[in-house]
Amino acid sequence: AQSVSQHNHHVILSEAASLELGCNYSYGGTVNLFWYVQYPGQHLQLLLKYFSGDPLVKGIKGFEAEFIKSKFSFNLRKPSVQWSDTAEYFCAVNVNNQGGKLIFGQGTELSVKP
Amino acid sequence: NAGVTQTPKFQVLKTGQSMTLQCAQDMNHEYMSWYRQDPGMGLRLIHYSVGAGITDQGEVPNGYNVSRSTTEDFPLRLLSAAPSQTSVYFCASLRWGNTEAFFGQGTRLTVV
Repeated sequence: AQSVSQHNHHVILSEAASLELGCNYSYGGTVNLFWYVQYPGQHLQLLLKYFSGDPLVKGIKGFEAEFIKSKFSFNLRKPSVQWSDTAEYFCAVNVNNQGGKLIFGQGTELSVKP
Repeated sequence: NAGVTQTPKFQVLKTGQSMTLQCAQDMNHEYMSWYRQDPGMGLRLIHYSVGAGITDQGEVPNGYNVSRSTTEDFPLRLLSAAPSQTSVYFCASLRWGNTEAFFGQGTRLTVV
């Protein structure tokens, strides 16, 4: 079965520190990849997505992610985090354009200390 | 546009009770899905639909039923609630050819 793994369950950083959150998936076919963010008490919002083309994708709020096909990875990065980035981050995969069928990772809770 | 609307936002049920979580979208999206979110487990797909009249099971379908009589609505039914169904439920919709999902605000369900 397809699966998505996020390596870090809880990350604590100080403001201005750099961030990298790991995401690996298990499916070898055509994939679309996403990072979603969930701020406390809110619903999920899309940070960025990869469908094809340049494997380095840029999203909102200074986030970026790199798709490395050989490693089945799609890691999220931000050079300098802010307190307002405190949230839970989810990696998700859609396989073979199967509409409505996103497979999510377990989530990574990010706490940024002011 | 309202986007994806879920009701209710909060619900407490007794074991064995039934209820329906409502989900409506006004974006004319073909695809709709239901997820449950539990601590440390991310979001798990319960059921999804690729269009009116068509539904399919996701990762954790047991104990839940769905139907899709219109493009706009995708209700989730709990036939006999169990404490294991205590969770936060999210509905999502997507447009054909664009797999970016738009999520509702969630329903926090507690079964006692």
